[in-house]
Amino acid sequence: RKEVEQDPGPFNVPEGATVAFNCTYSNSASQSFFWYRQDCRKEPKLLMSVYSSGNEDGRFTAQLNRASQYISLLIRDSKLSDSATYLCVVPRDNYGQNFVFGPGTRLSVLP
Amino acid sequence: NAGVTQTPKFQVLKTGQSMTLQCAQDMNHEYMSWYRQDPGMGLRLIHYSVGAGITDQGEVPNGYNVSRSTTEDFPLRLLSAAPSQTSVYFCASSYATSTAIFSNYGYTFGSGTRLTVV
Repeated sequence: RKEVEQDPGPFNVPEGATVAFNCTYSNSASQSFFWYRQDCRKEPKLLMSVYSSGNEDGRFTAQLNRASQYISLLIRDSKLSDSATYLCVVPRDNYGQNFVFGPGTRLSVLP
Repeated sequence: NAGVTQTPKFQVLKTGQSMTLQCAQDMNHEYMSWYRQDPGMGLRLIHYSVGAGITDQGEVPNGYNVSRSTTEDFPLRLLSAAPSQTSVYFCASSYATSTAIFSNYGYTFGSGTRLTVV
């Protein structure tokens, strides 16, 4: 299994839709995870961290399944401004300072 | 706060030239790193530093040097530019923690340097 794999996308959804992305990881010792969003030709920006079983922030919910080694990102009531590439990030080692970025899943929210 | 500042934003080099990409942060972050991003490849770690005077290699270090003389600055040097180094380069910083496996600290990224080597 690769260190980090993500749904290849792209996902094209209408405004108001609910969309979910999955990410699998290989390092079973990983403890904390992140979702970043990256707009076209911009730097990645932290969306949310994921630890324990999951995290929720407004319309965004991240869930962690340690047994199956995957995390998911759920976006409810999609907005046009949610259009971006979503990067799954996991620790490379047990020290947690170096992270592996997934290739990203591109989301386009259509009017 | 300026956050993470990268310069230049754009650069064109000829094969064989050398240059330094600058990165500075004003958040007193211990950890700094350099990534390159290529289409279809995602972000790949070049070099990183966990504090002043300490640097280490990432997954794609060949052709690059770094130094960390201060907490704030982490320049990336291209020794002899090659077309394969055409990429977007991002500098990132974060807090470090002794219990890093439970870290919830994400990275703050600079706005990137778009480098073309011809």
